[in-house]
Order: sequence, then structure tokens, then C-alpha cells
Amino acid sequence: DIVMSQSPDSLVVSLGERATINCRSSQSVLACSNNKRSNCKNYLAWYQQKPGQPPKLLIYWASTRKSGVPDRFSGSGSGTDFTLTISSLQAEDVAVYYCQQYSDTPQTFGQGTKVELK
Amino acid sequence: QVQLQQSGPGLVKPSQTLSLTCAISGDSVSDNSATWNWIRQSPSRGLEWLGRTYFRSKWFNDYSVSVNGRISINPDTSKNQFSLQLHSVTPEDTAVYYCAREIAWTSAFDYWGQGTLVTVSS
Repeated sequence: DIVMSQSPDSLVVSLGERATINCRSSQSVLACSNNKRSNCKNYLAWYQQKPGQPPKLLIYWASTRKSGVPDRFSGSGSGTDFTLTISSLQAEDVAVYYCQQYSDTPQTFGQGTKVELK
Repeated sequence: QVQLQQSGPGLVKPSQTLSLTCAISGDSVSDNSATWNWIRQSPSRGLEWLGRTYFRSKWFNDYSVSVNGRISINPDTSKNQFSLQLHSVTPEDTAVYYCAREIAWTSAFDYWGQGTLVTVSS
């Protein structure tokens, strides 16, 4: 199985400040179809989970925001190293964030990063 | 708007079978762009994908090896829903269970059920 590791486990950030969460996979989640570089995608998603709720998809293909997700959320990275950035933390962003790979079955998740307000 | 509504008991005795159902609205269990998944979450194991069912001219299932041999996921086209059965449960199967859709253009889990806390205890 592909192991997903997130850092840090928790993060305390002031309102309006940047939050950065890292995710590393034990093997590359970059896959290319038809052997064309233009058809390469990173099979990596980011989710937000608030207490008592299911995870909510924020970003897929490592950097594509789901419709309706605020643009302060952005994803970057390729291969085995990825980052979720919240550019200006809002009170409603307090949650646990998970990365997930879907390059291989079983799909696997990171252990989560808890984001709190200072 | 896709909605997934879970139902099923919250308490199961050890060695018995855990059964949950996920009713779909806004999409079809036979949608050949989607897969229909069960995922569980516990403090000890985190988020753990259990398996899926999907239709691509015929029905397919994939299961995690961690529960393979004990799990069955079945579609019900007449009710537009799918179900999870986990046999021979132990207290380690205590978790919040979620159903979720994965759709081809994201290949991520874009819609989730509300979650069901299932406790395995006598």
C-alpha cells in the first residue's frame, strides 16, 4: 500500500495568516496516460473535516479546486511531495485536513493535520 | 445535487454481521462514471478505504485486503442504493462508517454520506 505522511500533525495559526500543510507519499502518485507528458496527473486529493462531519473534498489532481471552494485554498506539488496552503486563515477553516492518494488501490489517506486558531 | 443517506444499526455484537445501506439521490448506482465506496474512520486506524462497487457494462467489486474475506458490497438498482456487509466483526471494527462517491473527472471522493458510528460490543 502507498503510505501517506503529513506534517505537521497540528498547526496553530493567527487569523489572516498563512497555513501550510505538507504531504508525502511513499511512492510517486504521478501517472501518465498514453505515454504523453501532457496527460500526466498527480492522483492526490485534499479534504477538510470538521467535528461531526464527513470529510469534504477541497482539491483534486493535486491542484484543482473543487467548485465552490474558496480560492484561499491551493494545492501544489508533484510526484511524492505535496502542499496544501491556506493563504489567509479564516475562523471557519479550523478543521482537520487530510491528503489522499488515488493512484493505486487501496486508496490511502494521511493521518491528518489539525489546524487551530492562535 | 448528489446526496448519500446512510442507514443501519449503531450497535453490533462481536462475531455478528455489520450491515449498512447508502441511498443515492441525484445520481444512479449504475452510473458508469462513478464508483460507490465504503470508508471507515477510527482513532486507531484513521481513514480507511474498505471497498467499492461500480458498473462498467457489468458489476465489479474491489475490496481492501485488510477486510477481504469478511466484506461484501452490493448494489441495489431497484432502490438506487448500495450496501455494506462486514462479517465476523470484532471490537476493532468499531468506527464511523461512511459511504462516498468517486467520479471519473475528479477520481476523488466528492460526495459523502453523513456517517454512522458503529460500535461492536456485547
